[in-house]
Amino acid sequence: EAQVTQNPRYLITVTGKKLTVTCSQNMNHEYMSWYRQDPGLGLRQIYYSMNVEVTDKGDVPEGYKVSRKEKRNFPLILESPSPNQTSLYFCASSKRPSESKNIQYFGAGTRLSVL
Amino acid sequence: QKEVEQNSGPLSVPEGAIASLNCTYSDRGSQSFFWYRQYSGKSPELIMSIYSNGDKEDGRFTAQLNKASQYVSLLIRDSQPSDSATYLCAVNMGGYQKVTFGTGTKLQVIP
Repeated sequence: EAQVTQNPRYLITVTGKKLTVTCSQNMNHEYMSWYRQDPGLGLRQIYYSMNVEVTDKGDVPEGYKVSRKEKRNFPLILESPSPNQTSLYFCASSKRPSESKNIQYFGAGTRLSVL
Repeated sequence: QKEVEQNSGPLSVPEGAIASLNCTYSDRGSQSFFWYRQYSGKSPELIMSIYSNGDKEDGRFTAQLNKASQYVSLLIRDSQPSDSATYLCAVNMGGYQKVTFGTGTKLQVIP
């Protein structure tokens, strides 16, 4: 089954404790992206990756890191989480955007609470 | 000015009626436009994409695009309670690699 898998689905942590949210897709997609969703603010892009070892900042990259060492995986790293990073996070992937028009497939989401 | 604007709603329509959802965008060079549906606590799922001016129909859904007016809309005919969700408008801006989402319109279909 074609899918984007995020883990964990729910996470409660404390300020300053490094964490990683994993994202994996089995569709051989080149493009992957991370979003956060907050009430009243909609989906905002954090980082995206056009291919292995190619990443770029989205609209709200501060406080986040990503890596793309393999095509299927695109982890989101919070080196020192803060309460304002409490949010619902989505990973998404698509075929090469120039060909697919960037129709994205989303993971189930990770609800993060930073205390 | 927000790049992609939607009325947050809620938009309430009776069952069987036509629901009309609207979206405006700021980048005149945008080329691809999408409507995603998101149920509460779930991930967005694509329901329509449109790339050229005019209408595109898929079942009960019709997307309408007017690039001159920088306006895209979604019509849902014969609305069902199961259509109750938040509808996100998304636009490819600044090239295909960047997709900008609106804040979404919450639709409530009243039985």
